[in-house]
Amino acid sequence: KQEVTQIPAALSVPEGENLVLNCSFTDSAIYNLQWFRQDPGKGLTSLLLIQSSQREQTSGRLNASLDKSSGRSTLYIAASQPGDSATYLCAVRPNYGGSQGNLIFGKGTKLSVKP
Amino acid sequence: NAGVTQTPKFQVLKTGQSMTLQCAQDMNHEYMSWYRQDPGMGLRLIHYSVGAGITDQGEVPNGYNVSRSTTEDFPLRLLSAAPSQTSVYFCASRTGYGNQPQHFGDGTRLSIL
Repeated sequence: KQEVTQIPAALSVPEGENLVLNCSFTDSAIYNLQWFRQDPGKGLTSLLLIQSSQREQTSGRLNASLDKSSGRSTLYIAASQPGDSATYLCAVRPNYGGSQGNLIFGKGTKLSVKP
Repeated sequence: NAGVTQTPKFQVLKTGQSMTLQCAQDMNHEYMSWYRQDPGMGLRLIHYSVGAGITDQGEVPNGYNVSRSTTEDFPLRLLSAAPSQTSVYFCASRTGYGNQPQHFGDGTRLSIL
């Protein structure tokens, strides 16, 4: 059974610091991996999607990497800002030989960026 | 540019009452799903649908029913609400083809007394 773990559960950093959020998964047979952001009381916003054949994806100050063989992904946030404060969720879509498959989520890392 | 729309945003029920959580998407997505989010448990899949007329159970389906009569709508029904169903419910959709992201609604916060 696929399991997704995110460490740490919470992280507090001063503004301007570069930081890395970690995600690990137990089964390397994935179709893709997706990083989401969730603000308090809000829904999930997709940040980055990495296909199983890709090593990384970038969007602005965000860079996500994928190492399928070791079952790991990282989300790198450069020059953090207080507006980056949120919970970050990692989710994998298992590879069932097609484009179907349900996302399996980690429990998230709650990030707080202090001014 | 509505995306995934969930109604209501908040609801309080008494034990034993029934209700339907509505979900609609305007992106012509084949795939829709319902998750519940509980503290310390993360998001767990309740039911999903790969197209109109096709539904299947997820990880925690007990106490919930779904149907998919149109591509756009995927309602979630609680037939007899229980306090254990107090949660935040999210509806999501994506295209059934290729590597495309999943889109989520803003959630329904449900309390059952």
